[in-house]
Amino acid sequence: QLQLQESGPGLVRPSQTLSLTCTVSGGSISSGGYYWSWVRQFPGEGLEWIGYIYYSGSTLYNPSLRSLVVISVDTSKNQFSLELRSVTAADTAVYYCARLPAGREFDYWGQGLLVTVSS
Amino acid sequence: DIVMTQTPLSSPVTLGQPASISCKSSQSLVHRDGNTYLSWLQQRPGQPPRLLIYKISYRVSGVPDRFSGSGAGTDFTLKISRVEAEDVGVYYCMQATQFPLTFGGGTKVEIK
Repeated sequence: QLQLQESGPGLVRPSQTLSLTCTVSGGSISSGGYYWSWVRQFPGEGLEWIGYIYYSGSTLYNPSLRSLVVISVDTSKNQFSLELRSVTAADTAVYYCARLPAGREFDYWGQGLLVTVSS
Repeated sequence: DIVMTQTPLSSPVTLGQPASISCKSSQSLVHRDGNTYLSWLQQRPGQPPRLLIYKISYRVSGVPDRFSGSGAGTDFTLKISRVEAEDVGVYYCMQATQFPLTFGGGTKVEIK
């Protein structure tokens, strides 16, 4: 059974960089056919797709965040990561990693990690 | 971006009664490959979202058949034929026809 698990700090200072990692178990990121994504959920429950990465390293980002986001992959560790720079309080959210097959539906999700941006 | 609008915001339902959620997109979700990438997600309290239905009406393995999806173009519906206690939560539609992927605002299903 595929599992995804987010990890990283739960508190980030304003203007700093938010860095999270998603560890995939029960399957290989390198198997192909899947796009490894980050999605966040704001306190009011709205969901926002941040971007995805393919195992080859190709990425696609939400244009609303493109200049602030970097998603990377480490196939040797079966992990992919998110960096969101210059954060503000508006970036406070639960951050999820999720798998997006070519069929274009999120079929597996991590449990989510609450990240609070505050001084 | 494609805007996804869900109604109602909240749906109080009596156990055993049906529930229906509407999702409308600001433009057609028919992809040039002929598929319509509209999916439905369920989020129970304290849990991550869970995929229920994809490509309008394909139910994920293990999802009870009381859940069904329908629609075409810009208008879509999720129906629960007989609501059970475990169905309480927030339901989201999501489009993946055009990037960026976008979600509806959510509909809370609760028991009266």
